[in-house]
Amino acid sequence: GENVEQHPSTLSVQEGDSAVIKCTYSDSASNYFPWYKQELGKGPQLIIDIRSNVGEKKDQRIAVTLNKTAKHFSLHITETQPEDSAVYFCAEGDRGSTLGRLYFGRGTQLTVWP
Amino acid sequence: SQTIHQWPATLVQPVGSPLSLECTVEGTSNPNLYWYRQAAGRGLQLLFYSVGIGQISSEVPQNLSASRPQDRQFILSSKKLLLSDSGFYLCAWRGETGEKLFFGSGTQLSVL
Repeated sequence: GENVEQHPSTLSVQEGDSAVIKCTYSDSASNYFPWYKQELGKGPQLIIDIRSNVGEKKDQRIAVTLNKTAKHFSLHITETQPEDSAVYFCAEGDRGSTLGRLYFGRGTQLTVWP
Repeated sequence: SQTIHQWPATLVQPVGSPLSLECTVEGTSNPNLYWYRQAAGRGLQLLFYSVGIGQISSEVPQNLSASRPQDRQFILSSKKLLLSDSGFYLCAWRGETGEKLFFGSGTQLSVL
């Protein structure tokens, strides 16, 4: 559960456009995939998560898709706004584990231009 | 509701000095506790985790140590700081039976 690749490292979009961030993982035991948003100088905040028995989850302008066979998952933000600008992290873990460790990608700096 | 407190928010320390960062959680019992480090340009690296009082597991060898003297208190320490210890340190907790991880506000440590 320690190999999570996240792309792109930086992403700039115009306000109103969509943004997509992708992550891949290697551990077949992983079954929990959260996404975090981190604003400057603050701790990461959980924005959405998905379990491996679900292929897609949506919460207003944010959606996450999971392809367990290919071991990749993506964050989709539609109708982006300047306040969406932040660093986004994907993570993976085993929700059945009592240890509860999560392993994170390196983050994507999203900038939304007004 | 549950809250997590982490302090100090910023810290500047000379090389070779000791370190003590504290984290406390309120509103829950027997949480899993974690220390992560975020270095510039890198992701969140798990340093330590604890599933109970006095139970500490280390993910990576390093110049730091962790302790859990009370159920909802987690401390990150060092006897002698190195330049490479600089970074943003984050404490996090997870409920005993939950899956979601919640982070504190972080401590920006600069070792000069």
